[in-house]
Amino acid sequence: DAGVIQSPRHEVTEMGQEVTLRCKPISGHDYLFWYRQTMMRGLELLIYFNNNVPIDDSGMPEDRFSAKMPNASFSTLKIQPSEPRDSAVYFCASSSERFSGNTIYFGEGSWLTVV
Amino acid sequence: AQSVTQLGSHVSVSEGALVLLRCNYSSSVPPYLFWYVQYPNQGLQLLLKYTSAATLVKGINGFEAEFKKSETSFHLTKPSAHMSDAAEYFCAVVYGNNRLAFGKGNQVVVIP
Repeated sequence: DAGVIQSPRHEVTEMGQEVTLRCKPISGHDYLFWYRQTMMRGLELLIYFNNNVPIDDSGMPEDRFSAKMPNASFSTLKIQPSEPRDSAVYFCASSSERFSGNTIYFGEGSWLTVV
Repeated sequence: AQSVTQLGSHVSVSEGALVLLRCNYSSSVPPYLFWYVQYPNQGLQLLLKYTSAATLVKGINGFEAEFKKSETSFHLTKPSAHMSDAAEYFCAVVYGNNRLAFGKGNQVVVIP
C-alpha cells in the first residue's frame, strides 16, 4: 500500500511568495494531520481534519497559514505571504481508529526554505 | 494535558553497546505511546507502539520498549547498537482524537 504522499519534497521560495504544500493520505484513513518541524520548536501540530472537516486549527501560527481538505484523498497547506521564519519541514500524517489502531503514519515531509 | 519528556538531546553510544533512550509521559488517561525514528532527510517511521496490551513492546530493527505505569515511563532499548541506528528518535503520546504530543527527540550518534 502507498503511504502518505507529500509534494513537493523540497521548495525554495522568496519571501512574500505563496507556497502550497500538498498531501494525499492513506486510503481509508479518516484523520489527517499537518505538523511542522523546526530545530527550535520540534514537532508541532498545526491542524487536523476528521472526515475532511477541520477539527482543531489552534496550532496554525497566524492568518498567513490556511489548510483545506476538499475530499478524503487530498489536502493542502498554504502559506501566503511566506516569510523566512516559515522555513521548516512540514509533515502530513494520517490515521484511522478503525484500520490502524490509532497508529499515525507520516509522509516524507516537505522541506521549505523561504529566502 | 498530555506531554512527553525526553532528556538529553544528543546520545552517543558505541557500536555494539546498549541503546537506552528515556521517555516519561504525563497523561490523565491510560495512554497510547509511540516511538518514532527519523533518519536524515526523511520522514518519521513508526518503531513501536503501546496500546494497553503487553507492557513489553517489540518493534522493528531490534528495538523494544517497556511501559511502566508506576514510573510513567516508556523507555526505548536495543541490546546492541548498529551504525545504521544513527538517527533521531521521538517519543509521543496520543491525546484527544488521535493527536500526538511529541518529545523533543534524541539524536543518537553511534561511535565505531
